[in-house]
Amino acid sequence: EAGVAQSPRYKIIEKRQSVAFWCNPISGHATLYWYQQILGQGPKLLIQFQNNGVVDDSQLPKDRFSAERLKGVDSTLKIQPAKLEDSAVYLCASSLVVAGGRNEQFFGPGTRLTVL
Amino acid sequence: AQSVTQLGSHVSVSEGALVLLRCNYSSSVPPYLFWYVQYPNQGLQLLLKYTSAATLVKGINGFEAEFKKSETSFHLTKPSAHMSDAAEYFCAVSKGGGYNKLIFGAGTRLAVHP
Repeated sequence: EAGVAQSPRYKIIEKRQSVAFWCNPISGHATLYWYQQILGQGPKLLIQFQNNGVVDDSQLPKDRFSAERLKGVDSTLKIQPAKLEDSAVYLCASSLVVAGGRNEQFFGPGTRLTVL
Repeated sequence: AQSVTQLGSHVSVSEGALVLLRCNYSSSVPPYLFWYVQYPNQGLQLLLKYTSAATLVKGINGFEAEFKKSETSFHLTKPSAHMSDAAEYFCAVSKGGGYNKLIFGAGTRLAVHP
């Protein structure tokens, strides 16, 4: 079974530039998550999709971050414009349809973003 | 609100020694609890999870954790450390009943020395 795919693996940009990350979840997983992991911290949920609908984006900085999941499969996360504090690893995860919070989330390798 | 506290950002053990990584949670409802491991430049991998069945949970790679409601703890243990266990470990809580949202602790980096 193929895992969660993410690209690119690394990205370096200047502040105020824009950047986009791509995620392809495990086939059949209806739920997709984007996390931000700042160095020395645990992952923090940015946005959660159920199929192609958003179910939680309470911690997404909507003035600069956006995400979409067209057709309920692949997803992209965009930052525009980037700030220095956006330097982090962006993790994508997927899971089967939730069953009371017990489902395992499967994580991709992440995209390491450095903003200079 | 739910939260997770991992005591000790860095733990160092000798190969063959007991591994104990501490996790305390706060939750207003019976929680689901998870331990994930992260190797360098990789995503997170599930070690084990507690979902209100047996309080002693066995996971992969010889790890286990015990849910203690009275202590609001879910500590991770392994009887004998191996060099390959060196990684970062994250405890997470989900309140369940909803959309599977995980709240992660800050992580504990485990070093194993010969």
